[in-house]
Amino acid sequence: GNSVTQMEGPVTLSEEAFLTINCTYTATGYPSLFWYVQYPGEGLQLLLKATKADDKGSNKGFEATYRKETTSFHLEKGSVQVSDSAVYFCALYTGGFKTIFGAGTRLFVKA
Amino acid sequence: EAQVTQNPRYLITVTGKKLTVTCSQNMNHEYMSWYRQDPGLGLRQIYYSMNVEVTDKGDVPEGYKVSRKEKRNFPLILESPSPNQTSLYFCASRLGSERGGFLFFGEGSRLTVL
Repeated sequence: GNSVTQMEGPVTLSEEAFLTINCTYTATGYPSLFWYVQYPGEGLQLLLKATKADDKGSNKGFEATYRKETTSFHLEKGSVQVSDSAVYFCALYTGGFKTIFGAGTRLFVKA
Repeated sequence: EAQVTQNPRYLITVTGKKLTVTCSQNMNHEYMSWYRQDPGLGLRQIYYSMNVEVTDKGDVPEGYKVSRKEKRNFPLILESPSPNQTSLYFCASRLGSERGGFLFFGEGSRLTVL
């Protein structure tokens, strides 16, 4: 079946450090891929998405590229800020009723 | 402003006392869903609805009921809450089943059952 695996956290970085959160997926067909972010005390919100192979999603300085050959969608940011501290969820959707979420990766950014 | 609104945001109740968590969206979305979020278990889908009067079970439906009488509302009902239903609950909606369709989430409802 379809699944998403993302790196376990927490990830602790200093401000201005480079961030990578790994995400790999297993899916039949051609899924759409997403990163959602959950700030403390809030619901999840879409951070970025990609709908086909080699697409790059980007938003707020974050980027992720849909790599079909490695079934990956790693999240990157060149210089993190304290305000980026949150939980990040990788997810896939193949249509129908279900979005599959990874377990989430908590990011702490220290000033 | 496009939003999914849940109420209440926080609730403490006792075992067996029926409660309803309301969810409303203002985006004319066809699809709505309920999730619970527990430490170490991530997000688990409780129920979903593809459209008015069409609902179905997700991964963890036991102890919950839902209804979808209107497109905008999708209440979650706990007929006889138990302590293992203590959790953070999220309602979410999506336009339909379009490619690239993403979920809009509510702010969450933290429920404690004593």
